[in-house]
Amino acid sequence: EVQLVESGGGLVQPGGSLRLSCAASGFTFSSYEMNWVRQAPGKGLEWVSYISSSGSTIYYADSVKGRFTISRDNAKNSLYLQMNSLRAEDTAVYYCARDYLRTGAFDIWGQGTMVTVSS
Amino acid sequence: QSVLTQPPSASGTPGQRVTISCSGSSSNIGSNTVNWYQQLPGTAPKLLIYSNNQRPSGVPDRFSGSKSGTSASLAISGLQSEDEADYYCAAWDDSLNALFGGGTKLTVL
Repeated sequence: EVQLVESGGGLVQPGGSLRLSCAASGFTFSSYEMNWVRQAPGKGLEWVSYISSSGSTIYYADSVKGRFTISRDNAKNSLYLQMNSLRAEDTAVYYCARDYLRTGAFDIWGQGTMVTVSS
Repeated sequence: QSVLTQPPSASGTPGQRVTISCSGSSSNIGSNTVNWYQQLPGTAPKLLIYSNNQRPSGVPDRFSGSKSGTSASLAISGLQSEDEADYYCAAWDDSLNALFGGGTKLTVL
């Protein structure tokens, strides 16, 4: 079964750091581009970051640029999001999502992991 | 405020056809393809339409997408109660950012 499973969320104080992980299974992870997308409580979807299949190309939303770092380990079938200098407005469910056949659409999503930034 | 503009709500009765619009600009919808997602309450989004009008395997043909210029639309025919969900349009921007619309909450009356 094709699956993405996020982990690493939790409660963190403003200014703190957190590292999210996304474990992929059921497909050849190294062949796919990946993304992080977040959703604040009661709000819409917001794209966070993209990484190419090799990890050589990376994009970030302006709202997280300079604070978040996306990475991947193809040997471990895993995607990561290092989040530093966290703010209250980063509070959200974070989803990892697979790019569909290089179309820019996201066809497989994880169940999400909740990140709460609060003192 | 989202760069891609959707109506916040839409509604219809069972069996009816409803459409949801998505308006963008020349740098996003005007020059890139549009995707649509369905999000049922408490669940992760699901890809409904990709590349303007293509359905992934398993998506019923009641769902269809179209694009014209800087706008796109999602149409749902033969509306069913299980279609009640939030719907999001999305497109990449020429600035290499992926954009989502604000979402449309569909109510089946």
